[in-house]
Amino acid sequence: EAGVAQSPRYKIIEKRQSVAFWCNPISGHATLYWYQQILGQGPKLLIQFQNNGVVDDSQLPKDRFSAERLKGVDSTLKIQPAKLEDSAVYLCASSLFQDRGDSPLHFGNGTRLTVT
Amino acid sequence: AQSVTQLGSHVSVSEGALVLLRCNYSSSVPPYLFWYVQYPNQGLQLLLKYTSAATLVKGINGFEAEFKKSETSFHLTKPSAHMSDAAEYFCAVSAYNNNDMRFGAGTRLTVKP
Repeated sequence: EAGVAQSPRYKIIEKRQSVAFWCNPISGHATLYWYQQILGQGPKLLIQFQNNGVVDDSQLPKDRFSAERLKGVDSTLKIQPAKLEDSAVYLCASSLFQDRGDSPLHFGNGTRLTVT
Repeated sequence: AQSVTQLGSHVSVSEGALVLLRCNYSSSVPPYLFWYVQYPNQGLQLLLKYTSAATLVKGINGFEAEFKKSETSFHLTKPSAHMSDAAEYFCAVSAYNNNDMRFGAGTRLTVKP
């Protein structure tokens, strides 16, 4: 099966600019996640979708971050305006089930964002 | 809410030596536990998962982990390290009815020739 696709792989922007990341999950996976991984740390959940509805966005900095999942498939994550501390790898993951904790996450290769 | 703590941000072993990566969990309900591996510039890949069927779980690449409720631990082991095992390893936890997965800070494994 095709894995989780993310683009771009790398992005360099200046602070206060905007940026968008794209994710296409594994076909048939209802749940989609965006994680932020700062260098030297574990992934931190930003937002979780079930189909096209938001399940959890409690850790999403909503003053600058936004995410959508139209038609319950692809998703985009946007940052506007970017800050230096947003430099990180943004990982997208998908899972077959949302209400089963034993359903593993499948990750894309991530987008490495550098804010200068 | 559930969480995991990984003891040791860096572990270095010689090739052929035992690998032991430590993870302790905190959960108010019986958890599901996972180990993931991340190679440079890649996403996370599932190594193994504990779902209460058996306390000793075998995963890919010769890794295994043992769930010990009395110690709230889920340590990852491999009898003999290989150079290709050098990577970042993450322990993760989720609740039985909600796939809201939380990750530890990670342990970087270095394998010396």
